[in-house]
Amino acid sequence: AQSVTQPDIHITVSEGASLELRCNYSYGATPYLFWYVQSPGQGLQLLLKYFSGDTLVQGIKGFEAEFKRSQSSFNLRKPSVHWSDAAEYFCAVGALNTNAGKSTFGDGTTLTVKP
Amino acid sequence: DTEVTQTPKHLVMGMTNKKSLKCEQHMGHRAMYWYKQKAKKPPELMFVYSYEKLSINESVPSRFSPECPNSSLLNLHLHALQPEDSALYLCASSQGQGTTGELFFGEGSRLTVL
Repeated sequence: AQSVTQPDIHITVSEGASLELRCNYSYGATPYLFWYVQSPGQGLQLLLKYFSGDTLVQGIKGFEAEFKRSQSSFNLRKPSVHWSDAAEYFCAVGALNTNAGKSTFGDGTTLTVKP
Repeated sequence: DTEVTQTPKHLVMGMTNKKSLKCEQHMGHRAMYWYKQKAKKPPELMFVYSYEKLSINESVPSRFSPECPNSSLLNLHLHALQPEDSALYLCASSQGQGTTGELFFGEGSRLTVL
């Protein structure tokens, strides 16, 4: 069975500082990995995804993530955080849609940005 | 701008009411989903429709009844709900068979059951 762990429940960073959100996954085959962001009262928006190929993937809003198979990790990074990045971040692992797949979400990391 | 549209954005209902949540997408996606999300928790999958057929029901109580009238529309009919059913209900879509499960979410319907 697939699973996702986000070890950090809550992270606080200062505006302009760098950010790394951790994600570890368990999956029996090549995983399809996603990071989603959710602002308060909103739906989830895809930040970036990894299917295959280059292990460093670029996403929207200046985010990037690196897939490390040896560590079963897919950590999200941003070099300089903006106040508008304050939100809930979910890492997810998806299954190949042979019919319609089920994504497994981590519990999320709440990001607070200090002025 | 989200390409998955959910209505209503907010809904308050009593435990004896019947109401429906609606979801629409025009991206040509063939899989559509209902998720339930409690505060500070990840979305929990409820139902999946694939090619307009119900393919996954995550043991959801029968007071929730999904319907997929066509490939663009998804409804969730609500009847005799409990206060613990109060949550954000998210609709999502994905391309469907043979794809990798990237989900496109609507902004959600905030449901309060009194």
